[in-house]
Amino acid sequence: GIQVEQSPPDLILQEGANSTLRCNFSDSVNNLQWFHQNPWGQLINLFYIPSGTKQNGRLSATTVATERYSLLYISSSQTTDSGVYFCAVGELTGGGNKLTFGTGTQLKVEL
Amino acid sequence: SAVISQKPSRDICQRGTSLTIQCQVDSQVTMMFWYRQQPGQSLTLIATANQGSEATYESGFVIDKFPISRPNLTFSTLTVSNMSPEDSSIYLCSVVRGASGELFFGEGSRLTVL
Repeated sequence: GIQVEQSPPDLILQEGANSTLRCNFSDSVNNLQWFHQNPWGQLINLFYIPSGTKQNGRLSATTVATERYSLLYISSSQTTDSGVYFCAVGELTGGGNKLTFGTGTQLKVEL
Repeated sequence: SAVISQKPSRDICQRGTSLTIQCQVDSQVTMMFWYRQQPGQSLTLIATANQGSEATYESGFVIDKFPISRPNLTFSTLTVSNMSPEDSSIYLCSVVRGASGELFFGEGSRLTVL
């Protein structure tokens, strides 16, 4: 099956700093989503982005499907950004709805 | 988006018992999925819940251990049978909404097996 690797695995930031999270995947996809899992375990949709670039406030994401990677940018980080960020992909051959999750990036934002 | 409610939100269970998790969606959906997240790990797909037919299980998951029901287009249940401490996980229900294929998740059910 498709492999999804995220980097870095852990990240500690000072409040106000910027960061880039990366997601590499091993095969063609027609679905790619970024999620934030908060400390209570709930998964929050950030972006549905199988290709192109999107922005939502301090967050933006870019997916280059032909090169099999996606990036999540967090600007002016806040303590509420802490948690785990997951990239998840749906394989082109599988119809795209069954997601394979990446390994995650654990982010901690400190004052 | 979608309103997806799961019950229970958390539970502590004894080894050897079974627990059924419910997932209720605020509108009809074609596709529903059940995921497992073991402590400190990523999410793994257990099965696709099909309305009117048996669930489709992923490699490593079997119906005897994780029976699933899907009686209608807004509701599904996942049972974790004959539990052991290794079954301690967050179990999440998810649905596809809209033509894009975007998935949305319930708040999860956190199970601890003693």
